[in-house]
Amino acid sequence: EAQVTQNPRYLITVTGKKLTVTCSQNMNHEYMSWYRQDPGLGLRQIYYSMNVEVTDKGDVPEGYKVSRKEKRNFPLILESPSPNQTSLYFCASRRNGGANTEAFFGQGTRLTVV
Amino acid sequence: DAKTTQPPSMDCAEGRAANLPCNHSTISGNEYVYWYRQIHSQGPQYIIHGLKNNETNEMASLIITEDRKSSTLILPHATLRDTAVYYCIVRVANTGNQFYFGTGTSLTVIP
Repeated sequence: EAQVTQNPRYLITVTGKKLTVTCSQNMNHEYMSWYRQDPGLGLRQIYYSMNVEVTDKGDVPEGYKVSRKEKRNFPLILESPSPNQTSLYFCASRRNGGANTEAFFGQGTRLTVV
Repeated sequence: DAKTTQPPSMDCAEGRAANLPCNHSTISGNEYVYWYRQIHSQGPQYIIHGLKNNETNEMASLIITEDRKSSTLILPHATLRDTAVYYCIVRVANTGNQFYFGTGTSLTVIP
């Protein structure tokens, strides 16, 4: 089954404690991205990757890091989480080219930073 | 990518057709119209997309006006499980550009 898998689904952490949210896809997609979703602000892109070892900032990259060492994995790293990073996070993947670039989303990670 | 305008909320009776409008008056000739939905904080789910012709799949139909300045997503027989936020997105295909999700239309299907 084609899917994007995020872990963990729920996480409560304290300010300043480094954490990583993992994302894995089994569709051999080149493009992967991270979004955060906050009430009234919709989904905003944090970082994206066009392919292995190619990453770039989205609209709200401050406080986040990513890496793309393998095609299937795209972890989101918060080196020093702060309460304003409390949010619902989604990982997504899709093929790079063609009109039918349907994006597949993970089930989300609800992060609370206290 | 062109901006879109959608009503913030709509209701629909169960079993009836749900017609969700979207205005995209600044759409460019090479921009596609995509529809996604998000059910209660789950990950967004692809529904359908089109360029200028009407499209239909197992989930929905997409009607795009001749001038392409607006479109309508039709769920032919809405069920309670169709209650969700529906996003209309326009973007150029075949690029690395992201999908810009606005605030969408919150559809409530009423029993």
